[in-house]
Amino acid sequence: TQLLEQSPQFLSIQEGENLTVYCNSSSVFSSLQWYRQEPGEGPVLLVTVVTGGEVKKLKRLTFQFGDARKDSSLHITAAQPGDTGLYLCARHTNAGKSTFGDGTTLTVKP
Amino acid sequence: DVKVTQSSRYLVKRTGEKVFLECVQDMDHENMFWYRQDPGLGLRLIYFSYDVKMKEKGDIPEGYSVSREKKERFSLILESASTNQTSMYLCATRRATNEKLFFGSGTQLSVL
Repeated sequence: TQLLEQSPQFLSIQEGENLTVYCNSSSVFSSLQWYRQEPGEGPVLLVTVVTGGEVKKLKRLTFQFGDARKDSSLHITAAQPGDTGLYLCARHTNAGKSTFGDGTTLTVKP
Repeated sequence: DVKVTQSSRYLVKRTGEKVFLECVQDMDHENMFWYRQDPGLGLRLIYFSYDVKMKEKGDIPEGYSVSREKKERFSLILESASTNQTSMYLCATRRATNEKLFFGSGTQLSVL
């Protein structure tokens, strides 16, 4: 059973547009991470969010953790072709397991 | 930077063969993981290990086993490969719980 639901599954936009992707769960997270994966490579960590309501910015990327710590969003402003990739959210349990969502595939066309 | 090396980038095997996928990390991390990645299904955890000779089942362990004889090496074993094990296999390592995962570049396994 997938504990993390990501939406949309696919997103294709033009360069310069804004977009938001979502990660939702019925469970409370102690923390949540966002990764980006480019073709032929493994995922690379973008950010970790820990506190409910937390907002973190990484250049044109804004990450938000829901107040109840059950959901998160990633907003990209003025998307560029270099933002193309698979975006994954992940949670870690105290037992050591790390579970991923099924990902959002983003394509930014020049 | 942490380096996570997977022994093969591409691998083609026959149904019924025994397959070994090797993963080596150079940062003395305690935790190591094996995931498989299939289109539309994200990363699914097969097995993980938090210490030498220790292993824990992930979400989809059936048809797989693992070995961790040394801290830096974590092997995934397919005892008798089947076509539904055709997938991208990703190894990851982590120093401690709640810290970030470092991934290898993956092994694309095709079972014919």
